[in-house]
Amino acid sequence: EVQLVESGGGLVQPGGSLKLSCAASGFTFSDDYMAWVRQAPKKGLEWVATISYKGTTTYYGDSVRGRFTISRDNAKNALYLQMNSLRSEDTATYYCARHESRLSFDYWGQGVMVTVSS
Amino acid sequence: DIQMTQSPTSLSASLGETVSIECLASAGISNDLAWYQQKSGKSPQLLIYTTSRLQDGVPSRFSGSGSGTRYSLKISGVQPEDKADYFCQQSYKYPLTFGSGTKLEIK
Repeated sequence: EVQLVESGGGLVQPGGSLKLSCAASGFTFSDDYMAWVRQAPKKGLEWVATISYKGTTTYYGDSVRGRFTISRDNAKNALYLQMNSLRSEDTATYYCARHESRLSFDYWGQGVMVTVSS
Repeated sequence: DIQMTQSPTSLSASLGETVSIECLASAGISNDLAWYQQKSGKSPQLLIYTTSRLQDGVPSRFSGSGSGTRYSLKISGVQPEDKADYFCQQSYKYPLTFGSGTKLEIK
């Protein structure tokens, strides 16, 4: 059974940093592209970032490029999102998600809440 | 960037009714269109990918169609457990983009 479990969320002040983690199990982690998708309270879904199998290629949404960094450790079956220079508009539930071959998201974690506020 | 315009924003359906949700892409997406269902307080779940392929375990009352820039999700015979938000997503090119969502209520 595929499982994705996020951790690392919490309350952070504007301008601060936070690192999210996602522990993957139930599939061959290194075979799949992985991603982060977020959802602001009572809002829709926003793709944040994607990383290739070995982590050599990354893609970012315009709203986070230059501030967020996606990475992975295939030996640990782990996905990460380093978030710097956080803004109030980054407040959201962040989901770890697995890409299927055509870049839709076939498995999602339960999500982790990030609140940016003073 | 490819914009996804989803309609309607909300709809209300009676049990057993057939409903449709549409997504219009701002450019051609070559059938790289997925649909998700999100129940209250839960993570999104993939229903359909590449326009019409049903994800494993998804009931056959869900179906997808479309081409070019116009795509739709149909639920044939709405059930109580279908109450949820539905989102489309283009998987054709980066940045990956979602529609704004449709809230389905059951009468």
